[in-house]
Amino acid sequence: QSALTQPPSVSGSPGQSVTISCTGTSSDVGGYKYVSWYQHHPGKAPKLIIYDVSKRPSGVPDRFSGSKSGNTASLTISGLQAADEADYSCCSFAGSYRYVVFGGGTKLTVL
Amino acid sequence: QVQLQESGPGLVKSSETLSLTCSVSGYSISSGYYWGWIRQPPGKGLEWIGSFQHSSNTYYSPSLKSRVTISVDMSKNQFSLRLTSVTAADTAVYHCAREVHGYAFYYMDVWGMGTTVTVSS
Repeated sequence: QSALTQPPSVSGSPGQSVTISCTGTSSDVGGYKYVSWYQHHPGKAPKLIIYDVSKRPSGVPDRFSGSKSGNTASLTISGLQAADEADYSCCSFAGSYRYVVFGGGTKLTVL
Repeated sequence: QVQLQESGPGLVKSSETLSLTCSVSGYSISSGYYWGWIRQPPGKGLEWIGSFQHSSNTYYSPSLKSRVTISVDMSKNQFSLRLTSVTAADTAVYHCAREVHGYAFYYMDVWGMGTTVTVSS
């Protein structure tokens, strides 16, 4: 069982928006601003799409956005495209003992 | 362009030791950053295993710490994972990654494609 809780799956039609939640505790997501999100297409290397809760690396479209409220972080993808169909995982710093924790991953289906 | 490539046996017998290598190109491990391992068991989420920075700290997941060693070969610009006493629960896709740290762990900015390791009985 993963330390952070994500919905197993979400779906949306092209052009729509979807939001993926990532719920932890005050010892990880809620306690630090170091939440990151990764996009993972099967057979490919995971790709960083959000870091420090809401920052986008160079080259990541602004259709991808991140936020946090309390112990829950969220990834929103607007203007859905077929290429967005992938698995999405959240990650957080979790203090000096557990250090790094991940969510269970969410499979995004573009209908 | 920084690239990471995992390599190692795809099949390991139960109770034996899993050994994987991550070859880094486009950046020298000794120049900075942390370098780590992450795995994903079939049907499950990603799990962080551990990471290190040359001549600095090494961090391990507390759940795996007793069985894990991460080491580095600077001459080959490679780092390795060693996991002892494996069981079927260690069957997973193993990724290596570059980590950005500051005050704490921040994120992984470059990943390898991963290599599948199956533990057989």
